[in-house]
Amino acid sequence: QLQIQESGPGLVKPSETLSLRCTVFGDSISSTRNSWGWIRQSPGKGLEWIGGIFHTGTAYYNPSLKSRVTTSVDMSKNQFSLKLSAVTAADTAMYYCARVRNADFDYWGQGTLVTVSS
Amino acid sequence: DIQMTQSPSSLSASIGDRVTITCRASQSISTFLNWYQQKPGKAPKLLIYGGSSLLSGVPSRFSGSGSGTDFTLTINSLQPEDFATYYCQQSYNTRFPTFGGGTKVEVK
Repeated sequence: QLQIQESGPGLVKPSETLSLRCTVFGDSISSTRNSWGWIRQSPGKGLEWIGGIFHTGTAYYNPSLKSRVTTSVDMSKNQFSLKLSAVTAADTAMYYCARVRNADFDYWGQGTLVTVSS
Repeated sequence: DIQMTQSPSSLSASIGDRVTITCRASQSISTFLNWYQQKPGKAPKLLIYGGSSLLSGVPSRFSGSGSGTDFTLTINSLQPEDFATYYCQQSYNTRFPTFGGGTKVEVK
C-alpha cells in the first residue's frame, strides 16, 4: 500500500523560507507514469494546488506562487521536496503531498500544519 | 486558470437521503473532472475520476455524471460515514489543476 509522509517545521517566521519533504513508501518516485505534487489548505478554507514535479526534475507550478516556489527530487531517498520563500501569514496552512496520476491525486499524505508567525 | 464553482456550499441531509452536489467549470473540460471526500482532520480522498469512474473500493452509492462544464456528484442512500466535505477538481489543465470551493454535507 502506497504511503506518503510529509515532514518539516511546523513554525516558520515571516519572510523566511518554508521547507517540506515528502517521503514515498510503496512506490518509486522514478515512475514515469506519475508526478508528485503539493496541495495546501488554509484553516477552514478550500484546497489550493501549489505545484508538481516529475522524477526528471521537470516541475510545474501554480502561477500565483511560481515566483516563490522551488522543488526537487531525491530518487536515492524516494523523496520530493518543496521550498516556498518569503512566507507571510497568508501561507499558514495544512500542506499535503500527493501522487499525481492523470492530474488527479490518488494518494495523499496525512498533511503537515505550517504556521507562519514571529 | 479554470474556475470551478460548487453548489450548494453546504446542505443538510438525513440517513437514507439522496444527495446531489453540482460543480460547474468556467470552460469546457470534457470529462476531466474528479471528486474528493474530506473528513475533519483528514486528507482528501479521491472518489471519482474522469467524471464518472469510481476508484476501486468506493461504495457504489456514489456516482458522478456530466461533461463539458456541468457535473454532478450523487450519493444514493446517504450513510453515516458520508457526512463530510466534497470537492470537485478539474484535471483538464494538467499543469494547473484547480478545485471547487467544497460542499459540506451535514446531519439534518
